Amino acid sequence: GAVVSQHPSWVICKSGTSVKIECRSLDFQATTMFWYRQFPKQSLMLMATSNEGSKATYEQGVEKDKFLINHASLTLSTLTVTSAHPEDSSFYICSSRTYFGPGTRLTVL
Amino acid sequence: AQSVTQLDSHVSVSEGTPVLLRCNYSSSYSPSLFWYVQHPNKGLQLLLKYTSAATLVKGINGFEAEFKKSETSFHLTKPSAHMSDAAEYFCVVSDHKLIFGAGTRLAVHP
Repeated sequence: GAVVSQHPSWVICKSGTSVKIECRSLDFQATTMFWYRQFPKQSLMLMATSNEGSKATYEQGVEKDKFLINHASLTLSTLTVTSAHPEDSSFYICSSRTYFGPGTRLTVL
Repeated sequence: AQSVTQLDSHVSVSEGTPVLLRCNYSSSYSPSLFWYVQHPNKGLQLLLKYTSAATLVKGINGFEAEFKKSETSFHLTKPSAHMSDAAEYFCVVSDHKLIFGAGTRLAVHP
């Protein structure tokens, strides 16, 4: 079946640094990928829709300059958290339309 | 606009007893509906999906859900709970994007 992978699975970084999270579709091509954020014991919040070859579409309240999304190929979308701060610590999950990656746990010290 | 409501934030059952996780949706047209399971610190796994074919949908691990248009419901059931079923469950409706319910935490005790 369709598989989505994410890398890294967890990352710890210092405040002010930038972190890149990769999302790959392993056995299918995805023109659209979705990025979610999940706080502890809460549901998933859609951050943005990543479109191959064009700009991402951000949900209301999500800073596009803070969360940079690049969808350079049909199998790779990346999310870069720029100048990360402790409040950016969260679980980030990408998905194709119905299949989800395993998530990336980001901790900002 | 589409939305989904999971009626119980927590459900607790004994091992071997039935599971019922309730979900109601709101949609202006025939929706696609999904149930996902999430184990602690893991990604989401698709349990089953409804896409306007059979109203009773069978999924993995013995779970099934019935689409009832008259009740705008898509409740998830399993005849006999296992300890390994303890997890967070999300009911999801699909527009051009997935809209998540708040989740139901299922606890299973011996």
